[in-house]
Amino acid sequence: DVVMTQSPLSLPVTLGQPASISCRSSQGLVYRDGNTYLSWFHQRPGQSPRRLIYKVSIRDSGVPDRFSGSGSGTDFTLKISRVEAEDVGVYYCMQGTHWPRTFGQGTKVEI
Amino acid sequence: EEQLLDSGGGLVQPGGSLRLSCAASGFTFSTYSMSWVRQAPGKGLEWVSVISGDGGTKYYADSVKGRFTISRDNSKNILYLQMDSLRADDTAVYYCARGSSGPDYWGQGTLVTVSS
Repeated sequence: DVVMTQSPLSLPVTLGQPASISCRSSQGLVYRDGNTYLSWFHQRPGQSPRRLIYKVSIRDSGVPDRFSGSGSGTDFTLKISRVEAEDVGVYYCMQGTHWPRTFGQGTKVEI
Repeated sequence: EEQLLDSGGGLVQPGGSLRLSCAASGFTFSTYSMSWVRQAPGKGLEWVSVISGDGGTKYYADSVKGRFTISRDNSKNILYLQMDSLRADDTAVYYCARGSSGPDYWGQGTLVTVSS
């Protein structure tokens, strides 16, 4: 199975400051169609996950532009340009290229 | 508006069975693969199973293979997860989600507790 490793697992942040989460995969995530199926999700306590980013860097509709995704190969990053209070929660990366699909362990972001 | 409504969770004894349902609305259900993802209490997300839009292709995590069966009824816009031989480590909130490469819509989740 493809192992997704996130770091850090806990991220204290300051409002208005940038934040960054790393996600590394144990195998490359380029699918035969040329796409890289790496997504980022945000989950607040007691809520369902919400997808923020798909195919490495494409923001979902309604996701603030302070969120950005980047990376290639096996190394990916989620960045928040200026953290807001509503950004607290747990962030997960997920690979959708190989079977079985796998998630990172999660990064808990707190103010 | 796309919506997924999970149901069917509850308390079941080890070795028992349960069937989860996910009612979809607001999109053409039959054109999307659908997934089940679970989250044990206080833990991270674990992908469980996926089914193609026509129901002809299915994949399972090794942890549930041979015990869980995913299916769908495209005439009713419902996704199912039949769970047999349940174990304590199957205790989790189960989410249905649209898509498999990076699910974009998720249900609210339904809690399955396996305990005697």
